[in-house]
Amino acid sequence: GQQLNQSPQSMFIQEGEDVSMNCTSSSIFNTWLWYKQDPGEGPVLLIALYKAGELTSNGRLTAQFGITRKDSFLNISASIPSDVGIYFCAGQGKTSYDKVIFGPGTSLSVIP
Amino acid sequence: NAGVTQTPKFRILKIGQSMTLQCTQDMNHNYMYWYRQDPGMGLKLIYYSVGAGITDKGEVPNGYNVSRSTTEDFPLRLELAAPSQTSVYFCASSYPRRPPVMNTEAFFGQGTRLTVV
Repeated sequence: GQQLNQSPQSMFIQEGEDVSMNCTSSSIFNTWLWYKQDPGEGPVLLIALYKAGELTSNGRLTAQFGITRKDSFLNISASIPSDVGIYFCAGQGKTSYDKVIFGPGTSLSVIP
Repeated sequence: NAGVTQTPKFRILKIGQSMTLQCTQDMNHNYMYWYRQDPGMGLKLIYYSVGAGITDKGEVPNGYNVSRSTTEDFPLRLELAAPSQTSVYFCASSYPRRPPVMNTEAFFGQGTRLTVV
């Protein structure tokens, strides 16, 4: 079935550094979503991408929908301590009847 | 709007007991989902529903049942709890967009932490 892979699995960075993470799939998706999960909370949507090649920003976050439709990237600039958490990518297939599939997550730790 | 509300927040069950995890949303979303998240892992889809009266299996449906009698509610039932069902359960909902943008994003509840002993 459809499966998403995320890399890296975990990251430890200094405050102020930029962060890059990516998500890949063997299947084509028509929607890519990036979520952040704080400890003990449900995931919260950060950015949604609907078109191949699309580049979208949300504050210090920028995400891109890969041209092949099989990957997506999330960048965080000038990281701060509250960026700590788990970042999940998710994809949805061709129609709005397709279920949303989640990747295993990238755990981000920011060292002050 | 409250968004997606899950109850209870925490529960301890004995092996073989049954329980229902409640999920309700007030956003008039058609689609609802149940995921489980094991420690250090991503989200696995258990069941989902594209509308009242319609449900379908996800990746890990065994040991669970769902129903969708109304748009607002999507309860998840565990009939014979097993230690392997110890996990955090998240309910989510989403809505269909109009063409040409057909896809959508899911909004999550706070989760139910279940321990089976």
